[in-house]
Amino acid sequence: EDQVTQSPEALRLQEGESSSLNCSYTVSGLRGLFWYRQDPGKGPEFLFTLYSAGEEKEKERLKATLTKKESFLHITAPKPEDSATYLCAVQEETSGSRLTFGEGTQLTVNP
Amino acid sequence: NAGVTQTPKFRILKIGQSMTLQCAQDMNHNYMYWYRQDPGMGLKLIYYSVGAGITDKGEVPNGYNVSRSTTEDFPLRLELAAPSQTSVYFCASSYSALYNEQFFGPGTRLTVL
Repeated sequence: EDQVTQSPEALRLQEGESSSLNCSYTVSGLRGLFWYRQDPGKGPEFLFTLYSAGEEKEKERLKATLTKKESFLHITAPKPEDSATYLCAVQEETSGSRLTFGEGTQLTVNP
Repeated sequence: NAGVTQTPKFRILKIGQSMTLQCAQDMNHNYMYWYRQDPGMGLKLIYYSVGAGITDKGEVPNGYNVSRSTTEDFPLRLELAAPSQTSVYFCASSYSALYNEQFFGPGTRLTVL
């Protein structure tokens, strides 16, 4: 069974204080790993898809990386507007289009 | 494009009542999904569809039913509401299993009392 574990559960940063969120996964074969941002009371918003180990993608202050066992979401010089819950999900090769989500990391960036 | 839309935004049901959560997308996506999200938890897949007329169970299908008569619409039916179905429900869509970036609606917050 696919497993996705995110850590930490919650992270509090000062504005400008860079850090990383972790998503570790166990699948028999990875088709894709997805990162989403979710603001309170809203639906998840797609950020990145990573397909193979060594791949990196960037968007503004966010950079996602992938290894064979985990993915990191690096946040460089965060701003208060980066505060949100970040979810990762995996798509296993034989699961069609189904995603297995982790429980998320709640990020708070204080001014 | 409106993307993925869901109605209603909020609903309170009594135990044993029934209701349908509506979901529509205007992106011409073949794949559509229903998830539930409980407080502090990740998203759990209830049902999904790979095209009109084709549906399949996800991780937590008990107590729910779906239909897909058109590409655009994917309603979720609760037949006999139970307190365990209190949750936030999200509908999502994607183009295909290969291009599987899923786009989510704003959610329906359901309380069963």
